[in-house]
Amino acid sequence: QVQLVESGGGVVQPGRSLRLSCAASGFTFSSYGMHWVRQAPGKGLEWVAVIWYDGSNKYYADSVKGRFTISRDNSKNTLYLQMNSLRAEDTAVYYCAKWDGTAVWGQGTTVTVSS
Amino acid sequence: DVVMTQSPLSLPVTLGQPASISCRSSQSLVYSDGNTYLNWFQQRPGQSPRRLIYKVSNRDSGVPDRFSGSGSGTDFTLKISRVEAEDVGVYYCMQGTHWPPMTFGQGTKVEIK
Repeated sequence: QVQLVESGGGVVQPGRSLRLSCAASGFTFSSYGMHWVRQAPGKGLEWVAVIWYDGSNKYYADSVKGRFTISRDNSKNTLYLQMNSLRAEDTAVYYCAKWDGTAVWGQGTTVTVSS
Repeated sequence: DVVMTQSPLSLPVTLGQPASISCRSSQSLVYSDGNTYLNWFQQRPGQSPRRLIYKVSNRDSGVPDRFSGSGSGTDFTLKISRVEAEDVGVYYCMQGTHWPPMTFGQGTKVEIK
């Protein structure tokens, strides 16, 4: 079945880095744009970034621009989010999602930025 | 950025009764291709979000037909014809017309009276 599985979350100190992964299965990953969306504790949804199906275009929310990098490896059916210079306000559950055609969300991975 | 404003933010409903959520955008969501990229997502307690409706009124596969979306321009509505217990959760509208960034509404919490 169509599935997205995130990993890589954890507790990290402010200013450090973390890389999230999202493994896709059940669909032709290389044909679809992919998104990262986050949800801070007790808060609503915030769109973070999108990458084109072939990686040719990437766009970011202002809150993460210059610190986060979205990428993908279509040979591995995997989406990534490299997060640098992490701040306390980046603490959230991070979801990868596909919205074109059949919509799919992963189960999320929790990132906690704390000293 | 396009601001999405939902109302109400909390919606207590009686089982079997209808429910309606409003979503207004700060600018028209009609894209140059003629489509309006307004989506509705449901997030049940403890679960990931799930898309219910895309392009204003199109139900995703597996979504019960008691859910319907309508609207145009800047005003949109999600309706549940008869609320069931499994409909409890938070509902978000999201625009995908003017981006980046794609923007969500604040969320409307639906609970059973």
